[in-house]
Amino acid sequence: ILNVEQSPQSLHVQEGDSTNFTCSFPSSNFYALHWYRWETAKSPEALFVMTLNGDEKKKGRISATLNTKEGYSYLYIKGSQPEDSATYLCAFNFGNEKLTFGTGTRLTIIP
Amino acid sequence: EPEVTQTPSHQVTQMGQEVILRCVPISNHLYFYWYRQILGQKVEFLVSFYNNEISEKSEIFDDQFSVERPDGSNFTLKIRSTKLEDSAMYFCASSVRRAEDTQYFGPGTRLTVL
Repeated sequence: ILNVEQSPQSLHVQEGDSTNFTCSFPSSNFYALHWYRWETAKSPEALFVMTLNGDEKKKGRISATLNTKEGYSYLYIKGSQPEDSATYLCAFNFGNEKLTFGTGTRLTIIP
Repeated sequence: EPEVTQTPSHQVTQMGQEVILRCVPISNHLYFYWYRQILGQKVEFLVSFYNNEISEKSEIFDDQFSVERPDGSNFTLKIRSTKLEDSAMYFCASSVRRAEDTQYFGPGTRLTVL
């Protein structure tokens, strides 16, 4: 079974602070990593798709890095804002069509 | 911006009843998916669909489940005889290509089986 783990499960961050969390995965069979942001009652929003070791992607204040050899990805949020409160999901393609999801990190920004 | 839509947002049904969950994928997308999330658990893959046939399915997707693209826009998931354990949030997704391409998700249908 190919398992994807995310840590921490939940996180409270003061508005204006920066934060990061982790997604870890088996380093073999890697094909692509996806990050999503999911706010309650809304569609999960695609943030990044990453395929190359050492890849780094950025979207506004959010960025992500990928290390396929050691099997982890970090998501960073700089200068957290209340609208960043959401569950952040990572998911993998292991060479086929389905996404295998982690448990998610629930981020709460404290004003 | 194009988006995936799903109806209904919430469905309540009695155990043993049939339900059909509906999705309208993004119009130029070729691959379609159903996922579900049982409360407190991970989002899990059910099935993928391409070129009018199932391309991959999980072990959850047994004979009680079926998918269909009855016209050029809708994509449906049918559960023939619902069980209590089918209660979950069901997500539809679509993508232009398979594998590493972004899958765009709808807002989900919350299915409650009583």
